[in-house]
Amino acid sequence: GAGVSQTPSNKVTEKGKYVELRCDPISGHTALYWYRQSLGQGPEFLIYFQGTGAADDSGLPNDRFFAVRPEGSVSTLKIQRTERGDSAVYLCASSPQGYTDSYGYTFGSGTRLTVV
Amino acid sequence: KNQVEQSPQSLIILEGKNCTLQCNYTVSPFSNLRWYKQDTGRGPVSLTIMTFSENTKSNGRYTATLDADTKQSSLHITASQLSDSASYICVVSAASNYQLIWGAGTKLIIKP
Repeated sequence: GAGVSQTPSNKVTEKGKYVELRCDPISGHTALYWYRQSLGQGPEFLIYFQGTGAADDSGLPNDRFFAVRPEGSVSTLKIQRTERGDSAVYLCASSPQGYTDSYGYTFGSGTRLTVV
Repeated sequence: KNQVEQSPQSLIILEGKNCTLQCNYTVSPFSNLRWYKQDTGRGPVSLTIMTFSENTKSNGRYTATLDADTKQSSLHITASQLSDSASYICVVSAASNYQLIWGAGTKLIIKP
C-alpha cells in the first residue's frame, strides 16, 4: 500500500482482556517498528523487526506483550491480560532497510487503545 | 543516561510569524538527529535528518540546525501557516545500538 496502515484505529477493551493490534507496512519495507505513545509524551520504543525476526525487543514492558511478523510483512502486537496502564496510542512504523535508514521511518496513524 | 529535552513545551504564535523550537540531548555516541511533525491523531512525519557533520538542513519553510559540540538542535519555521499547528518531536539516534531516543515534543499552535 501507499502508507503504513494500522487497524483498528480505536479499541476499547475491558481490563484483563486480550487484544491484537495490526500493522500493515509499506510494501517492500523489511524493517518494522512498534512504539507506544502516552498523552503529551514522545513515542516509546517497543520492538523492531528485521524481516520475520525480532531484531530488538528490549522495549517490551513485560511478558504480557508479544509481537509477531510471520511472513515479513504484516505484524500483530498482542497484549494479554490488559491493564489500565496499557491505555495509549500504539504506533507502527516501517522503513526500507533498518535502524540506519537515513530517510526516516514512515509511521501509521496509530491504534488508540483504551482499557476500562 | 541518554535523554532528549525540548523547549518550550508549548508555543502559540500568529499566522505568518516565525518561530524556533529547541532540542538539547545527552545521547552518546551520537549517530543522527531527526525532527518529526505529528498532527493530532496521526503518526509522526519526518521533516529532517542530520548526521554529525551536518550543521543545517532545510525542508521548505522548515530549517533545522545542529551543534554537535554543545549537543543542541533547533527547528526554525518561517512564515508560519495554520497547517503548521502540530507537535514537533526531536529524536536522536545512538550510534551504539541505533535506538531512537525521543523528546516529549513541542506543541505548536498557529492562530489566525
